[in-house]
Amino acid sequence: QVQLVQSGAELKEPGASVTISCKTSGYTFTNYYIHWVRQAPGQGLEWMGTVNPSAATTSYAQKFQDRVTMTSDTSTSTVYMALSSLRSEDTAFYFCTRRAVFSLMPYFDYWGQGTLVTVSS
Amino acid sequence: DIQMTQSPSSLSASVGDRVTITCRASQRISSYLNWYQQKLGKAPKLLIYAATRLQSGVPSRFSGSGSGTDFTLTISSLQPEDFATYYCQQSYISPLTFGGGTQVEIK
Repeated sequence: QVQLVQSGAELKEPGASVTISCKTSGYTFTNYYIHWVRQAPGQGLEWMGTVNPSAATTSYAQKFQDRVTMTSDTSTSTVYMALSSLRSEDTAFYFCTRRAVFSLMPYFDYWGQGTLVTVSS
Repeated sequence: DIQMTQSPSSLSASVGDRVTITCRASQRISSYLNWYQQKLGKAPKLLIYAATRLQSGVPSRFSGSGSGTDFTLTISSLQPEDFATYYCQQSYISPLTFGGGTQVEIK
């Protein structure tokens, strides 16, 4: 069965960086883009960007362009999202989710369980 | 960026009620509209994609309609497990954007 399993919760100080992993299984890794979506406590969903595991290409929301890096490791079917220069406003749940490369009508059908990142001194 | 506006932001309903949630895009997005359900502490779950297509395994009481700028999610007969927050999302153009959410509560 399809699974996206994320790494555990993180506590970081302001100015630090964090890297979250999303290990996938149960499907052909290179047939799906991985996207990252975050959700501040009690707030809505915010799209951060995406990585194409087969081509290692990325596309980021302008808001995060200078601070985010998304990478993929085809040998372990794992995607990583690194966010730098953390501030308190980055405290949120971070979700990875997949979208089929060849889908004409894109949608997110499977999601990771979420990783809570808390930024606090 | 395309703005997605959901209404209402919250509603109270009883089991068995028909519930309708609307989503409006700030520009035309054809049928590139998806609906997700999120329960507290959980990841979102895909309900409807391409505006009207029911995701596999989702109960048929959920349905979607609309195209262009105006879309609707309908729950024909609300069940206890449907109390959650619902989000629309446009997949027409990057950056992908979500509506602000509609919280469905028990009356």
